[in-house]
Amino acid sequence: EVQLVESGGGLVQPGGSLRLSCSASGFTFSSYAMHWVRQAPGMGLEYVSGTPSNGGSTYYADSVKGRFTISRDNSKNTLYLQMSSLRAEDTAVYYCVRDRWAMVTFGGYFDYWGQGTLVTVSS
Amino acid sequence: DIRMTQSPSSLSASVGDRVTITCRASQSISNYLNWYQHKPGKAPKLLMYAATSLQTGVPSRFSGSASGTDFTLTISSLQPEDFATYYCQQSSGTPPTFGQGTKVEIK
Repeated sequence: EVQLVESGGGLVQPGGSLRLSCSASGFTFSSYAMHWVRQAPGMGLEYVSGTPSNGGSTYYADSVKGRFTISRDNSKNTLYLQMSSLRAEDTAVYYCVRDRWAMVTFGGYFDYWGQGTLVTVSS
Repeated sequence: DIRMTQSPSSLSASVGDRVTITCRASQSISNYLNWYQHKPGKAPKLLMYAATSLQTGVPSRFSGSASGTDFTLTISSLQPEDFATYYCQQSSGTPPTFGQGTKVEIK
């Protein structure tokens, strides 16, 4: 059974940093692209970042570019999101998501989602 | 970025109703359009991919269609478990982008 378990969320002050982790099991982690998607309170889903199966490239939404860094450790079956210079508008539930394919490419789709971890940016 | 516009933003319907949700892309995305269902406190769930392909395990009352830059998700006979928010998502351009969502509520 595919499982994606996020951790690392919590309360952080504006300007602070936080690192999210996503522990994957039930599939060959190193064969799939992975992504982060978030949902702010009362808002819709927003794409945050993604990386292909080998971690060789990264993709970011404009809203987080330069502040967030996605990475993965295929030996540990874990996806990360390093978040810095956090703002109130980064407050959201962050979901770890598996792509159907190994590359972040045309025709990709998100076939498994974690339950999410809440990040609250507030003083 | 490619902008996805869903309509309506919300709708009220009864069990057994036929429900249609539309998603329009700001430019051509071929058929690289996916649909997700999201219930409060739960992980989003993939319903359809490549505009018209039903994800394994999803009931056949869900279907998708495409015409140019317009895409449609149809629920042929709304069931109690279908009350949720539905999102379209394009995977033609990078980054992938979502529509703003359509909330399906009980009438």
